Amino acid sequence: QKEVEQNSGPLSVPEGAIASLNCTYSDRGSQSFFWYRQYSGKSPELIMSIYSNGDKEDGRFTAQLNKASQYVSLLIRDSQPSDSATYLCAVKANAGKSTFGDGTTLTVKP
Amino acid sequence: GAVVSQHPSRVICKSGTSVKIECRSLDFQATTMFWYRQFPKQSLMLMATSNEGSKATYEQGVEKDKFLINHASLTLSTLTVTSAHPEDSSFYICSAYGLAGGPEYFGPGTRLLVL
Repeated sequence: QKEVEQNSGPLSVPEGAIASLNCTYSDRGSQSFFWYRQYSGKSPELIMSIYSNGDKEDGRFTAQLNKASQYVSLLIRDSQPSDSATYLCAVKANAGKSTFGDGTTLTVKP
Repeated sequence: GAVVSQHPSRVICKSGTSVKIECRSLDFQATTMFWYRQFPKQSLMLMATSNEGSKATYEQGVEKDKFLINHASLTLSTLTVTSAHPEDSSFYICSAYGLAGGPEYFGPGTRLLVL
């Protein structure tokens, strides 16, 4: 079992729909959770950080964390074609390296 | 957000030569930086963790004599690919974080092509 697992994808949604990206992790000591967006040929870009249970909203993005279920998700409302990218979930215990999932590729169709 | 730069963005070299890639944290001090490699349509692969003032920690299967890492200051880490071969052609990305528990911020990456 991988330490961080994401929907295998690819995920395709129509423009204007809600895209839901899911991630589970195995280390119960994880304290920090991040979502990155990576466009093809580019490096990852941080879009959300979440540290406590519940929801965190930033514009069209909402991150949800449930430590008891070891589950973190990212919702993208009103999806746009420019949201088409690979989304990486990352989990971190404290100091040191993050553990990344393999990513879910999202395509938003006009 | 924090800014990490990388130089060069793209390099083409002949087989057998060495290539140095620089990674700088521009607006924060990074005691720890990471080096990743990514092949087309594949996941990020962590190569090594670079700590300021100490030896880098390499992931299993990464040759430390081939991928030399130096982290001489709190804002600069370098990766040198020694005696590069065509199979070393890849997208090399560095990242850094400033606060324990905080996110990694990635540089824009360096695309290496070895002929």
